[in-house]
Amino acid sequence: DAGITQSPRYKITETGRQVTLMCHQTWSHSYMFWYRQDLGHGLRLIYYSAAADITDKGEVPDGYVVSRSKTENFPLTLESATRSQTSVYFCASMRDDYGYTFGSGTRLTVV
Amino acid sequence: GQQVMQIPQYQHVQEGEDFTTYCNSSTTLSNIQWYKQRPGGHPVFLIQLVKSGEVKKQKRLTFQFGEAKKNSSLHITATQTTDVGTYFCAGLNYGNNRLAFGKGNQVVVIP
Repeated sequence: DAGITQSPRYKITETGRQVTLMCHQTWSHSYMFWYRQDLGHGLRLIYYSAAADITDKGEVPDGYVVSRSKTENFPLTLESATRSQTSVYFCASMRDDYGYTFGSGTRLTVV
Repeated sequence: GQQVMQIPQYQHVQEGEDFTTYCNSSTTLSNIQWYKQRPGGHPVFLIQLVKSGEVKKQKRLTFQFGEAKKNSSLHITATQTTDVGTYFCAGLNYGNNRLAFGKGNQVVVIP
């Protein structure tokens, strides 16, 4: 677990502001993922990436943007935050053919 | 799209008793994975099952993959207070690396 780091751990932002959540992994895993977790909805996939410069939409991509210029970093940007984006965000990476390793999460509150 | 359903969503279990949580997929899976999330924590990978009918044990935990590779179960014996948390199953379809997570089974242990 120590190899995947999310920052910040907590963030409060105002409606309409742009905010970026950071995710860094030290293993050079090809696959990386962003999930949001809300009560009653479980884990929902926002975006994922199969490799540097390859990203694709998940289940709930609207209002989010990702980039992956380097294998180890996978930032998630909320272009114009809304209250419905208040959630806990988890980044994860995957070694080939094995389970996901999740970061500790970012708890985001949009006021 | 692929759906993974977990039942029950909530369980209250007396310390020392056994319990089982179930996972069902609408499609045949390449593999199924189980994760545990402690309150306030992040999901942690427990195990991956790949073969039809596979059974794996981790101490008091027994994981099973159905013959048709569409369902799975997690059975915990002699429940301890450390077993509290939410257990997620996640299914992987053939041909992609995106897990479909169930909504989880939240387990409360009664001392």
